[in-house]
Amino acid sequence: GQQVMQIPQYQHVQEGEDFTTYCNSSTTLSNIQWYKQRPGGHPVFLIQLVKSGEVKKQKRLTFQFGEAKKNSSLHITATQTTDVGTYFCAGRGTDKLIFGTGTRLQVFP
Amino acid sequence: NAGVTQTPKFQVLKTGQSMTLQCAQDMNHEYMSWYRQDPGMGLRLIHYSVGAGITDQGEVPNGYNVSRSTTEDFPLRLLSAAPSQTSVYFCASSKTLNTEAFFGQGTRLTVV
Repeated sequence: GQQVMQIPQYQHVQEGEDFTTYCNSSTTLSNIQWYKQRPGGHPVFLIQLVKSGEVKKQKRLTFQFGEAKKNSSLHITATQTTDVGTYFCAGRGTDKLIFGTGTRLQVFP
Repeated sequence: NAGVTQTPKFQVLKTGQSMTLQCAQDMNHEYMSWYRQDPGMGLRLIHYSVGAGITDQGEVPNGYNVSRSTTEDFPLRLLSAAPSQTSVYFCASSKTLNTEAFFGQGTRLTVV
């Protein structure tokens, strides 16, 4: 079945450093979504990418969808302590949304 | 709007007991799903529904049942709880598969 993997599993950075998480699917995706989960909270939607090669920005966050629509990345520039949490990608297959394993980001002040 | 409401927030069960986790949404969303979250495993899809009267299995459906008699409600039933079902359970809904999913606050379940 469809599998979505993310790397790295954990990332610790100093405040101000950049951060990137990568998402890879075993199958071609119709679209990909990104979510953030704060510690003790629930996942909250960040963005959706649909087109091959698409790049979207939200302030310090840059999201990219691969040309083959099988991979994606999230890059955070100059991390802040408010960026702490787990970032999930979620790939849409034919009729279900499959989440990646997540990348937990810790930011040290 | 309340969004997606899950009850209870916490539950402790004994092995072999059954229970129902409740999920309700007031956004008239067609698509609803249940996920479980375990450390290092991400969010794994248990069951999902594309509309009232229609349900299907996700990645890890064994030991769980669902029904969707109304658009608003999507309960998850544990038939005979096992320690391996200790987890945090999230219900989510979305207008379609191509729109953002809204999550409930989660239910932390411990099976002893």
